[in-house]
Amino acid sequence: DGGITQSPKYLFRKEGQNVTLSCEQNLNHDAMYWYRQDPGQGLRLIYYSQIVNDFQKGDIAEGYSVSREKKESFPLTVTSAQKNPTAFYLCASTSGLGEAFFGQGTRLTVV
Amino acid sequence: EDKVVQSPLSLVVHEGDTVTLNCSYEVTNFRSLLWYKQEKKAPTFLFMLTSSGIEKKSGRLSSILDKKELFSILNITATQTGDSAVYLCAVSDNYGQNFVFGPGTRLSVLP
Repeated sequence: DGGITQSPKYLFRKEGQNVTLSCEQNLNHDAMYWYRQDPGQGLRLIYYSQIVNDFQKGDIAEGYSVSREKKESFPLTVTSAQKNPTAFYLCASTSGLGEAFFGQGTRLTVV
Repeated sequence: EDKVVQSPLSLVVHEGDTVTLNCSYEVTNFRSLLWYKQEKKAPTFLFMLTSSGIEKKSGRLSSILDKKELFSILNITATQTGDSAVYLCAVSDNYGQNFVFGPGTRLSVLP
């Protein structure tokens, strides 16, 4: 079945650690996105990529990094520079027709 | 700066009531407006609207877009407890570079 797979579902990070969230899609979509959602808030864009080997910062890119070496994969690294990383992270992709498809999300908690 | 505003932010109704959720937006090079329903994890797609005045309908849900006044409404008739969720509105630009999400409306339907 076509879709977007995020892993892990739950992730715990110690202070000062970098962690990487995985996002894989088999929809053959060019564009992929990472969003962060905090309780009671909408989705805020962290990074997006329109094509392999290219990506752009979103509204809240500080403390995060991404790569897009393959069309199917868009991993997000939450670095130690991100001071408040506890949040729900959603990966999405679009076909170019407008609709965004979402993964099931990763809930990151700093312990 | 692109912006999406939703109202109300929170709404409590009883089963059988009809609700109207509002979404207004400001975006450069508007392409489409999308409605999503978010229960526990990833948002699920409801509607994509690109043309003014054309109502989209799916069961008890319907939505319409007004591109002149820059808003959309989502109607839910004969609400059920299963409609309880956060309803997110998003707009995409013509370049498909960005999806801007509103804060969401949290709908609670009481039995």
